[in-house]
Amino acid sequence: EIVLTQSPATLSLSPGERATLSCRASQSVSSYLAWYQQKPGQAPRLLIYDASNRATGIPARFSGSGSGTDFTLTISSLEPEDFAVYYCQHFYGTFGPGTKVDIK
Amino acid sequence: EVQLVESGGGLVQPGRSLRLSCAASGFTFDDYAMHWVRQAPGKGLEWVSGISWNSGSIGYADSVKGRFTISRDNAKNSLYLQMNSLRAEDTALYYCAKVSHDYGDYGGTFDIWGQGTMVTVSS
Repeated sequence: EIVLTQSPATLSLSPGERATLSCRASQSVSSYLAWYQQKPGQAPRLLIYDASNRATGIPARFSGSGSGTDFTLTISSLEPEDFAVYYCQHFYGTFGPGTKVDIK
Repeated sequence: EVQLVESGGGLVQPGRSLRLSCAASGFTFDDYAMHWVRQAPGKGLEWVSGISWNSGSIGYADSVKGRFTISRDNAKNSLYLQMNSLRAEDTALYYCAKVSHDYGDYGGTFDIWGQGTMVTVSS
């Protein structure tokens, strides 16, 4: 079973700053990786699929990169609504433990 | 409007069974694989199970394999999760989710989620 690890566990930043989140797979997943955002009391929202494709309606400040075992989600300039928990997910289900982006 | 509505959650004793349902609307249900994902209180997301559009490809997390069974009824636009031999660690909010693109098997990423149904396993 593929295991996903995410780092850091928590990222404390200010609005306007750049956020860089990492996801590493225990074995190659090619480009079959997605990123989700979850806010308290809400269902997750798909941000990125196939490692680098933005889902419908997702702002351009969100971008994904990587392939194989190492992936990155970048938020170019944090907006107040971006403070949330972010999960990566492998195509066949497995989720990473999440990175919480909170306000510094 | 594309919508998924889960039902069937509740309080159940350890060792007992429960069946969750997910009613889909607003899209062609039998064009897409579907999944169950759960989230224990205060914890992260855990994938539970997925099923292809025609039920020909199914996957389970190791934590539920042999105890949970996923199924679907395309005529009723419905997804199900039969949960047997429930344990305290199965306590979670259970989400139903639709894949964004169909790849023929149960794989995919999830573009539409329901609001979840809570399952509490306790004596």
